[in-house]
Amino acid sequence: EAGVAQSPRYKIIEKRQSVAFWCNPISGHATLYWYQQILGQGPKLLIQFQNNGVVDDSQLPKDRFSAERLKGVDSTLKIQPAKLEDSAVYLCASRLNGAYEQYFGPGTRLTVT
Amino acid sequence: DQQVKQNSPSLSVQEGRISILNCDYTNSMFDYFLWYKKYPAEGPTFLISISSIKDKNEDGRFTVFLNKSAKHLSLHIVPSQPGDSAVYFCAANRDDKIIFGKGTRLHILP
Repeated sequence: EAGVAQSPRYKIIEKRQSVAFWCNPISGHATLYWYQQILGQGPKLLIQFQNNGVVDDSQLPKDRFSAERLKGVDSTLKIQPAKLEDSAVYLCASRLNGAYEQYFGPGTRLTVT
Repeated sequence: DQQVKQNSPSLSVQEGRISILNCDYTNSMFDYFLWYKKYPAEGPTFLISISSIKDKNEDGRFTVFLNKSAKHLSLHIVPSQPGDSAVYFCAANRDDKIIFGKGTRLHILP
């Protein structure tokens, strides 16, 4: 079974530029999550999707972050414009309905200079 | 306000001995607890979990203990192996959302 795929793996941008991350969840997993992990911290939830609908985006900085999951499968997370404090690893995870375990992709390491 | 706390940033254990990683939580509404393992440049990998109605769950070398009255859980790894060197995250579930601790870095010494 293929795992959660993410791209790119690494990205370096200057502040005020924009960036987008892509995630393909495990086949059949209806729930998809985006997390931000800052060095030395645990992953922090940004947004949760159930199929193509948003369940929880209360922690998403909506003035600069946006996310979509148009067809209920792949998802993109965008930052525009980026700030220095956005430097982090962005993790995508998916979960099967009825299960508790979330399965994570390898993450995208973003460096904002 | 940290709802899931891992107070030991790092832990060193001799190969073959027992590793014990600890975690405390504050929210009594958590219904499920999970441990994840993370290697550098990889995403967290699910390791083992326990329902809030249980007090122990065992899977091979890994055992998780839950003490609800103390709001404390622990992960025991025995015997510890070199491949166990990683960062371990304690996590707690409520409403299909997981809250993670800051992690404990485990070093297995030869």
